[in-house]
Amino acid sequence: QKEVEQDPGPLSVPEGAIVSLNCTYSNSAFQYFMWYRQYSRKGPELLMYTYSSGNKEDGRFTAQVDKSSKYISLFIRDSQPSDSATYLCAMKQDAGGTSYGKLTFGQGTILTVHP
Amino acid sequence: GAGVSQSPSNKVTEKGKDVELRCDPISGHTALYWYRQSLGQGLEFLIYFQGNSAPDKSGLPSDRFSAERTGGSVSTLTIQRTQQEDSAVYLCASSPQFSYGYTFGSGTRLTVV
Repeated sequence: QKEVEQDPGPLSVPEGAIVSLNCTYSNSAFQYFMWYRQYSRKGPELLMYTYSSGNKEDGRFTAQVDKSSKYISLFIRDSQPSDSATYLCAMKQDAGGTSYGKLTFGQGTILTVHP
Repeated sequence: GAGVSQSPSNKVTEKGKDVELRCDPISGHTALYWYRQSLGQGLEFLIYFQGNSAPDKSGLPSDRFSAERTGGSVSTLTIQRTQQEDSAVYLCASSPQFSYGYTFGSGTRLTVV
């Protein structure tokens, strides 16, 4: 069993829909939780990060972490065709407040938002 | 430079040949990471370098894989005696010390024929 599980989709929604993307994990030592967006033939780019449990909002994006359930979510409101990409969850153990230490990624969910 | 630069962007090699992949991180970033992404898969950790500390090589899949980072900057990932299962996109990322996100390059797409 993988440490991080993510439904690969694909997920297809109409423009304006609310999108929900999710990951589950098994390693209780994970403390930092991130979402990356990856366009075709590009490297992933950091979209959101959250420390421990809780919610974080940034524009149309909301990240949620529930450590008790080992479950994280990314919500996209008013989805746009430009949101079409692969979304990868990633997580990391605490490294004394530094950025060091490997990220463990989910498989990625392919999202298409059609006009 | 403005971002993480990787070269070549594409590489086709014959089975059994050695290949070298290069990564130029963002200037001043102390940590550098290599990941591999196979078709339809997430990112698989390979190795990371942190300042002057010994690298974490725990993700390297076999002894055919090695990497070095010279002068705390440029890194080279070497794959010896390439196999078809090595075909993937090899991604490099760097980060400053106190940051929780990496900046990735666009990757090197390696095809072993």
